[in-house]
Amino acid sequence: GDSVTQMEGPVTLSEEAFLTINCTYTATGYPSLFWYVQYPGEGLQLLLKATKADDKGSNKGFEATYRKETTSFHLEKGSVQVSDSAVYFCALSPGGNYQLIWGAGTKLIIKP
Amino acid sequence: NAGVTQTPKFQVLKTGQSMTLQCAQDMNHEYMSWYRQDPGMGLRLIHYSVGAGITDQGEVPNGYNVSRSTTEDFPLRLLSAAPSQTSVYFCASRARDTQYFGPGTRLTVL
Repeated sequence: GDSVTQMEGPVTLSEEAFLTINCTYTATGYPSLFWYVQYPGEGLQLLLKATKADDKGSNKGFEATYRKETTSFHLEKGSVQVSDSAVYFCALSPGGNYQLIWGAGTKLIIKP
Repeated sequence: NAGVTQTPKFQVLKTGQSMTLQCAQDMNHEYMSWYRQDPGMGLRLIHYSVGAGITDQGEVPNGYNVSRSTTEDFPLRLLSAAPSQTSVYFCASRARDTQYFGPGTRLTVL
């Protein structure tokens, strides 16, 4: 069945470092791909999304490109801040009913 | 717009007790769902509803009941709490392909 695999955390970086969180997926057809973020003590919120191959989603300095050839949707940010510390979830929607299939989440810790 | 609200924020139960987790949304979304979040396991879908009067099971429905009498409300009932139900519970509503989450309920079952 469809699945999402994320790199295990925690990922610990210094402020202003470059961030990559890897996400790969297995799906039939043409899913939509998402990154959600969960700040401490809060619910998840949509960070960015891409609905077709080669689309780039972006928000708050984060970017991710839908790569069908490598079945990947890696999250990147050029210069992280302490306020980016959170848990990041990659997810896919197979289409049709918009059900989401979730990765396990990657905890990001940014040190000043 | 309050978005998705959940009550309570925290709850401690004894094994065998029952309780209802409340969820409400004011965005007029038809689709609502309940998830549980456990360390290292991401989110797992418990139950969902595609509209008032319609509910269906998700990935981990055992031990939980839901009902959807109105578009706004989607309560989750624990029938007889067990320690395995210790978790953080999130309610979400959806508009097309974007989900909107409540702040969560942290439940501990002793």
